[in-house]
Amino acid sequence: GQQVMQIPQYQHVQEGEDFTTYCNSSTTLSNIQWYKQRPGGHPVFLIQLVKSGEVKKQKRLTFQFGEAKKNSSLHITATQTTDVGTYFCEGYSGGGADGLTFGKGTHLIIQP
Amino acid sequence: NAGVTQTPKFRVLKTGQSMTLLCAQDMNHEYMYWYRQDPGMGLRLIHYSVGEGTTAKGEVPDGYNVSRLKKQNFLLGLESAAPSQTSVYFCASSYLDHQFYEQYFGPGTRLTVT
Repeated sequence: GQQVMQIPQYQHVQEGEDFTTYCNSSTTLSNIQWYKQRPGGHPVFLIQLVKSGEVKKQKRLTFQFGEAKKNSSLHITATQTTDVGTYFCEGYSGGGADGLTFGKGTHLIIQP
Repeated sequence: NAGVTQTPKFRVLKTGQSMTLLCAQDMNHEYMYWYRQDPGMGLRLIHYSVGEGTTAKGEVPDGYNVSRLKKQNFLLGLESAAPSQTSVYFCASSYLDHQFYEQYFGPGTRLTVT
């Protein structure tokens, strides 16, 4: 079955440093979604990427979808304490809900 | 709108006991999902439903049953709880869309089986 690998599992940064998490799929994806989960909270949708090579920005967050539609990244510029949490990617390879796979997430820990 | 709600928020069970987790959504979504989240394992799909009266197995369905008698409700049942089912359970819902757009998650149920 489809696998979505997400790295790193944990990332410690000083406040103000940049952060990047990567997702790699074993199969070509139709689209990929990114979610954020605050400590003790539930996943909240951030964005969806659909097109090959797509780049989307939300303030300090930049999302990219690879040309081959098998990888994606989330980059945060100048992290703030409010960025703390776990970031998940979710790949969709088609064929209904069976085609949805979450990565295991990257835990972002920020040291003031 | 309340979005996606889950009851209960916390529960402690003894091995062998049964319970039902209730998920309700008021967004008229066709799709509903049950996930479990364990440390280091991310979100794993247990069962899902593509509409009222339909259910399907996800990645980790063993030990669980589900029902979708009404469009707005999705129930997750544990017939005989085991310690391995200690986890945080999230329900989610989404529109019926071939591109599977945004999933809306409930606040979660933290279940401990002793």
